[in-house]
Amino acid sequence: GENVEQHPSTLSVQEGDSAVIKCTYSDSASNYFPWYKQELGKRPQLIIDIRSNVGEKKDQRIAVTLNKTAKHFSLHITETQPEDSAVYFCAASKGMDSSYKLIFGSGTRLLVRP
Amino acid sequence: GAVVSQHPSWVICKSGTSVKIECRSLDFQATTMFWYRQFPKQSLMLMATSNEGSKATYEQGVEKDKFLINHASLTLSTLTVTSAHPEDSSFYICSASRTEIYEQYFGPGTRLTVT
Repeated sequence: GENVEQHPSTLSVQEGDSAVIKCTYSDSASNYFPWYKQELGKRPQLIIDIRSNVGEKKDQRIAVTLNKTAKHFSLHITETQPEDSAVYFCAASKGMDSSYKLIFGSGTRLLVRP
Repeated sequence: GAVVSQHPSWVICKSGTSVKIECRSLDFQATTMFWYRQFPKQSLMLMATSNEGSKATYEQGVEKDKFLINHASLTLSTLTVTSAHPEDSSFYICSASRTEIYEQYFGPGTRLTVT
């Protein structure tokens, strides 16, 4: 089955710096890659997603890049702020072929130091 | 739009008893609902996928007789943890999606503590 690996497990950056989180997936049939932000005890919140027919997507300070050949995708957060501190999860889905289920990475704990 | 609720938000039960968790889509019809379990400082692990009116599909290693899932309507799915044990203590999160839509809308989660 699909396996999603995520790195790093923890990331500490100074406010204003950029943060990059990377994920690799194993199943080349995966075609949807969302990123979620989860604060302690709360539900995961979708922050950005990308389909396999797109190489890059940007939404203000957040961007995601996808390399289908290498089977990896990355989350980029620029001008980080203390409120960006949370756990971030990547995920992958094969869409209809797998009933749209999501396989999650192991998570990255991001700490933005003021 | 696309709001999903869960009830209860937290529950404490004694070992050997059963507990039911409800997941509701409040403003849309959810053809598919997913149940996840999340242990402290770990990722979300998919337990099962349920489609309205049919039996749930369980992930490998998840005991279907222990985690009973019912998806009787397009707005409600329930997860019943039977004969709960302390190792079942976890954060249980549901999500719901519309027909052939990738995006899943997550519930707020239910924290289960088995004493």
